Amino acid sequence: GAVVSQHPSWVICKSGTSVKIECRSLDFQATTMFWYRQFPKQSLMLMATSNEGSKATYEQGVEKDKFLINHASLTLSTLTVTSAHPEDSSFYICSARHGGDSYEQYFGPGTRLTVT
Amino acid sequence: QKEVEQNSGPLSVPEGAIASLNCTYSDRGSQSFFWYRQYSGKSPELIMFIYSNGDKEDGRFTAQLNKASQYVSLLIRDSQPSDSATYLCAVNIEGYQKVTFGIGTKLQVIP
Repeated sequence: GAVVSQHPSWVICKSGTSVKIECRSLDFQATTMFWYRQFPKQSLMLMATSNEGSKATYEQGVEKDKFLINHASLTLSTLTVTSAHPEDSSFYICSARHGGDSYEQYFGPGTRLTVT
Repeated sequence: QKEVEQNSGPLSVPEGAIASLNCTYSDRGSQSFFWYRQYSGKSPELIMFIYSNGDKEDGRFTAQLNKASQYVSLLIRDSQPSDSATYLCAVNIEGYQKVTFGIGTKLQVIP
């Protein structure tokens, strides 16, 4: 149980284009999903927290107009990187939480984004 | 002061030995504690969580929590080369949805 998928696993795009990444909880309903970014040899950096049906809460320094998050259902959240630039190249990872008294997060396999 | 502190390592142990990974946290309101394993180029995988003071064992892994001293540790018995990875400590503060991650400790198990 507690399987989270992400699609695509990797993507290459040109500077100025937008990229959408999907995160799905496959065998449970996720009341909360999280989006992280990780640069090489660095720790996870939380970008935003999203609850189903609500606007995402972004961490300080993360541009909400650039990183659009939609959590339309209890099993799906999407992250859209708008007008991507080479500095946005990174490993994007989502995680999902059951909810209630359970705070464990289960991570998706990640999406490696390269902007050329 | 960082909220969750870990030694980045690397921590090198011989195969078959016990690996001891430590983590300290600053907020006394912390209520849930997690250990994740992350292989290079992969996403983190939850291996243990602990909510109460004391020890929690799962196979070769034991998590230890001491809220008075504000530390949590992970013991890996009979370490295997496949255990070589970065181990992330994560802490949830009561009332918050998110968890705070430490920088991670890189473990190397030498055959």
